[in-house]
Amino acid sequence: AQKVTQAQTEISVVEKEDVTLDCVYETRDTTYYLFWYKQPPSGELVFLIRRNSFDEQNEISGRYSWNFQKSTSSFNFTITASQVVDSAVYFCALGQGGSEKLVFGKGTKLTVNP
Amino acid sequence: GAVVSQHPSWVICKSGTSVKIECRSLDFQATTMFWYRQFPKQSLMLMATSNEGSKATYEQGVEKDKFLINHASLTLSTLTVTSAHPEDSSFYICSAAGPRGETQYFGPGTRLLVL
Repeated sequence: AQKVTQAQTEISVVEKEDVTLDCVYETRDTTYYLFWYKQPPSGELVFLIRRNSFDEQNEISGRYSWNFQKSTSSFNFTITASQVVDSAVYFCALGQGGSEKLVFGKGTKLTVNP
Repeated sequence: GAVVSQHPSWVICKSGTSVKIECRSLDFQATTMFWYRQFPKQSLMLMATSNEGSKATYEQGVEKDKFLINHASLTLSTLTVTSAHPEDSSFYICSAAGPRGETQYFGPGTRLLVL
């Protein structure tokens, strides 16, 4: 069975701090995709990144970076120099691709205080 | 690209009425769409997978006669909550498999309140 664990329910930081959101997954599949989505208070899920199981290269996009480690089945997300606009619930998800259903973690609520 | 819309964004209805929610892929064709339900402060729960031109596949525990799904075209899927009751009040979100089929893109969601 597939499973995604986001152990951090809520995180609160002060603006400009760095913050890492943890994601641990379980799957028996050799080919899979990992995703991160952001859900601001408005409710819409915003796609942030997709990583396939064969690509362990870390990715950086502006203040966002992702660390994928198959050895520990983790796909952690770091926000550098956090901003108030980063306040949202962040979901990690696991799937076989866009046409297949996703398994979501329970989400981590990030609050960035000014 | 890969924009998904939902309509309506908010709906308030009386118990016993039916409510239809539309999910559209605006700039791409989506053979597969998904319907999720989200309760406050909880994660997304997949309700069903909708494939264009065929019957939807429902997750265990989801009543197919209660939540009717129609995917009549490559850009439109609808979810009808039949004979809605207060316990059906929730946030309903759809998603569509993107143009290359690798990523799901989500609509803005529909908040349903049944009185």
